Amino acid sequence: SYVLTQPPSVSVAPGKTARITCGGNNIGSKSVHWYQQKPGQAPVLVIYYDADRPSGIPERFSGSNSGNTATLTISRVEAGDEADYYCQVWHSGSDHYYVFGTGTKVTVL
Amino acid sequence: EVQLLESGGGLVQPGGSLRLSCAASGFTFSSYAMSWVRQAPGKGLEWVSGVSDYGGRTYYADSVKGRFTISRDNSKNTLYLQMNSLRVEDTAIYYCAKQQGGVIPAAGGVDYWGQGTLVTVSS
Repeated sequence: SYVLTQPPSVSVAPGKTARITCGGNNIGSKSVHWYQQKPGQAPVLVIYYDADRPSGIPERFSGSNSGNTATLTISRVEAGDEADYYCQVWHSGSDHYYVFGTGTKVTVL
Repeated sequence: EVQLLESGGGLVQPGGSLRLSCAASGFTFSSYAMSWVRQAPGKGLEWVSGVSDYGGRTYYADSVKGRFTISRDNSKNTLYLQMNSLRVEDTAIYYCAKQQGGVIPAAGGVDYWGQGTLVTVSS
């Protein structure tokens, strides 16, 4: 089965940059979507197709994808960015399914 | 305004069945793929199943294949998940999710989520 690996946690000071990685075999050949989830709430799409932002998502959120790693970058981090973040891809192989990453807790110091 | 309202969750014994429903409004339901995503207490997100816009193609996670069936009624703007042979490990909040496009896998990410319905499998 296809596995997406994320660091369990990332800590960042307000105003700095947070980078959240999502590792998977040849993930650069797939389209990656990123979600933010705050406690007790449904997830929110923050990046789709590697680097596109839905309307209403601040420009501080950006994405990239190459090789075996996709990255979500949050610039000028704010307290309100503290949340869990998940990457997602569609995997086509002998079977076909969506996969979520293991999730990363972002803590704003 | 897009709304997704799940119902049908509850407490069920291992081996039992439940049928989840998701009533959709605020968009042209028949134009978009839909998915079910679940989240066990204190755990991460797990994609469960997806269906293309007209219901012609369905997909399942290995963990539920053969036990769960996804379907949709475009005349009623409703998505369903029939869950049979439920196991303790199926305990989770189940989210109804609207995909950005109509045909999986070219359906992008999930741009709208319901608030979820809790399924508890326990004796």
